[in-house]
Amino acid sequence: AQSVTQPDIHITVSEGASLELRCNYSYGATPYLFWYVQSPGQGLQLLLKYFSGDTLVQGIKGFEAEFKRSQSSFNLRKPSVHWSDAAEYFCAVNTGFQKLVFGTGTRLLVSP
Amino acid sequence: EAGVAQSPRYKIIEKRQSVAFWCNPISGHATLYWYQQILGQGPKLLIQFQNNGVVDDSQLPKDRFSAERLKGVDSTLKIQPAKLEDSAVYLCASSLEPVYGYTFGSGTRLTVV
Repeated sequence: AQSVTQPDIHITVSEGASLELRCNYSYGATPYLFWYVQSPGQGLQLLLKYFSGDTLVQGIKGFEAEFKRSQSSFNLRKPSVHWSDAAEYFCAVNTGFQKLVFGTGTRLLVSP
Repeated sequence: EAGVAQSPRYKIIEKRQSVAFWCNPISGHATLYWYQQILGQGPKLLIQFQNNGVVDDSQLPKDRFSAERLKGVDSTLKIQPAKLEDSAVYLCASSLEPVYGYTFGSGTRLTVV
């Protein structure tokens, strides 16, 4: 069965520093890949998605993600973190059966 | 466009009571999902509707949970009777083309005491 692993439960980054959140998936073929962000008390907001083509995808709020087939990874990056980026981030895959499978999430804390 | 609407935002009930959640998806979105998100975990799919038909309810605890989507638009999720472990956020999402991602509502936070 397909699965998504986010190895980091919490990450703390200083404001202005760069960020990378890790995501690994398990699936035989190339899935559709997503990153969502969830602020406290809110639903999930789509940051970006990958289907095919260019392996570096740009999203909202200055985020980008790179798909690496050889590593089964889809890591999320941002060059300079803002305090408002503090939230929980979820990686998800859609394997074509029309349902999203989520990772357990990474909570981002931003220090001044 | 209007987003996915859910109500209520919060609900506190005692165990063994019943509760219902409501979801109004984005207009024209044929696919509707209910997810359960327990604190500290990622969302888990409970049920998926395509129009008013069930596509996947394999992870729905059918002895206590039920869901319906009348007329292929609004949906309700019911729990009867509730258990302590049902405390979670219940998220509704809808999609025009599921492979391109979903739009989520703000969720209903259920606390069972």
